[in-house]
Amino acid sequence: DAKTTQPPSMDCAEGRAANLPCNHSTISGNEYVYWYRQIHSQGPQYIIHGLKNNETNEMASLIITEDRKSSTLILPHATLRDTAVYYCIVRFDNYGQNFVFGPGTRLSVLP
Amino acid sequence: NAGVTQTPKFQVLKTGQSMTLQCAQDMNHNSMYWYRQDPGMGLRLIYYSASEGTTDKGEVPNGYNVSRLNKREFSLRLESAAPSQTSVYFCASKSAADYNQPQHFGDGTRLSIL
Repeated sequence: DAKTTQPPSMDCAEGRAANLPCNHSTISGNEYVYWYRQIHSQGPQYIIHGLKNNETNEMASLIITEDRKSSTLILPHATLRDTAVYYCIVRFDNYGQNFVFGPGTRLSVLP
Repeated sequence: NAGVTQTPKFQVLKTGQSMTLQCAQDMNHNSMYWYRQDPGMGLRLIYYSASEGTTDKGEVPNGYNVSRLNKREFSLRLESAAPSQTSVYFCASKSAADYNQPQHFGDGTRLSIL
């Protein structure tokens, strides 16, 4: 079962920042926070991951609270193509594990 | 740089037929995975290959076989397809530099068994 809680849906205006929250209050010390998204009929697309420090790449920023019990994915300038279901996943990626997705957050970027 | 490429994208089989799903990655990754995703569910691991020359069972291996042909390619075979194997199949790969490198997924094969 998923170890994360995300809002089921969010809207964001095109060109604005999209801030997607995730609660993971039971995260353990060696588990990373990963964000993936899945656009209809495509495979899960990796966005970003982190352990305890904030991370940034060409797609997004990840802000993890100091107690690591929650995080926020930030898409700085959302476009229509960012409309997707976003999944926050916590795991220590040892071999042999299923990839447990919760329901995720359905982000709709509006023109 | 294509990432993870899966073929075919769609396939319809009759019960009892066999087929092989192909997966290739061009990221020089050591580890490769096969998952299935059923509606409303997460990805369930069928088989994985931690490195070239090794394969291991995941949670749902029954009815499937795999071959790690070389570092780039990892195939999944259904020997005698059953309707319960109707699903979307995803291949993924990961660098083995450390445990927590992310897995990168292909776009899937949508398989229907009649």
